[in-house]
Amino acid sequence: GAGVSQSPSNKVTEKGKDVELRCDPISGHTALYWYRQSLGQGLEFLIYFQGNSAPDKSGLPSDRFSAERTGGSVSTLTIQRTQQEDSAVYLCASSSDRASVNTEAFFGQGTRLTVV
Amino acid sequence: AQSVSQHNHHVILSEAASLELGCNYSYGGTVNLFWYVQYPGQHLQLLLKYFSGDPLVKGIKGFEAEFIKSKFSFNLRKPSVQWSDTAEYFCAVNAYGNKLVFGAGTILRVKS
Repeated sequence: GAGVSQSPSNKVTEKGKDVELRCDPISGHTALYWYRQSLGQGLEFLIYFQGNSAPDKSGLPSDRFSAERTGGSVSTLTIQRTQQEDSAVYLCASSSDRASVNTEAFFGQGTRLTVV
Repeated sequence: AQSVSQHNHHVILSEAASLELGCNYSYGGTVNLFWYVQYPGQHLQLLLKYFSGDPLVKGIKGFEAEFIKSKFSFNLRKPSVQWSDTAEYFCAVNAYGNKLVFGAGTILRVKS
């Protein structure tokens, strides 16, 4: 597609339930990021996929969080046993990994997750 | 590890005032530097970027930023702000092949 697409745009879930958030990056982009943006907070890095390399998971806040990227394209962020502190906007971004071209990250609109 | 520091969390200015938002990063190697902006209710979008060459880069809407390597800084400037510049501004840095790291953001409110 023309841009980074995230779904759903909004998700309300009950505490303790699992949720899956989806990201479709820009076609051809090999780098994909997940960030979390909480009210009044900055952008918290969660996980980074770069081509076929092992993902950088250093930002995942707990083992309830996991992400995968299938076929080097679509990515799913899964949060198990959601807690109220997981409520935030989850942002996905993608970029090209070629050093000779722009490496700016393009962001999706985000998924607003509310845990009640 | 890379890190980014933005000096001000909230800035309030009157229209036509000059703006400078500070950004410092920590990383010893070659970096790419970015400023992103998030207008109310909208998604993050790129304001300007530095990869190489002229350390003074110009972006959209009259913004510019200067990369000072010796100071590890990439401050954002605009000579005269408008009410429509009200937004949150994020500085970001990455080294090639590494993750993009953001600062905590600066919320700018421009009074009309």
